Amino acid sequence: AQSVTQLDSQVPVFEEAPVELRCNYSSSVSVYLFWYVQYPNQGLQLLLKYLSGSTLVKGINGFEAEFNKSQTSFHLRKPSVHISDTAEYFCAVSKGTSYDKVIFGPGTSLSVIP
Amino acid sequence: SQTIHQWPATLVQPVGSPLSLECTVEGTSNPNLYWYRQAAGRGLQLLFYSVGIGQISSEVPQNLSASRPQDRQFILSSKKLLLSDSGFYLCAWSTLDRALFGPGTRLTVT
Repeated sequence: AQSVTQLDSQVPVFEEAPVELRCNYSSSVSVYLFWYVQYPNQGLQLLLKYLSGSTLVKGINGFEAEFNKSQTSFHLRKPSVHISDTAEYFCAVSKGTSYDKVIFGPGTSLSVIP
Repeated sequence: SQTIHQWPATLVQPVGSPLSLECTVEGTSNPNLYWYRQAAGRGLQLLFYSVGIGQISSEVPQNLSASRPQDRQFILSSKKLLLSDSGFYLCAWSTLDRALFGPGTRLTVT
């Protein structure tokens, strides 16, 4: 069965500094990987996804993530964060077959400090 | 385009009372549907998923149940709520490459 680990439950970072949110997964089969963001008091929004092809994936709001199969990681990065990036970020995985359930990590709370 | 509706948006219920949260999906047929719970300060926990009418898989044993009476309707229920049932409940629909979430129901059990 797949599982997702997000090593950092909380990440404080100063405005305009770079940030990396870590995500590792375990699966014996090929997977699809996702990052979702949840702004305060809102639902979830897809940031980016990796299905196949280039291992560097670019998403919305200046975020990008890199799929590393050997390290089973899919870390999320942004070179310069804004106050508006303060939110909860969830890494997720589903098996690389049709119609499999999406499993989420525990989430990382990103706090951008002015 | 696909949309997911959930209601109610917020709910305050006493311990021991019943629960019924409804989710409907538009713009697709035979979707995979899910119920997730997000407890305060915690991540998303998959509660139930359904691949078709009457087909429910439970991920976590608890006092909640789910039903799918119609193709695009998914209901989360409880006969007697516990304090620990408080949280943010999200209905979701998935395709091969992403999950689409409803707006959520914030449940407070008092």
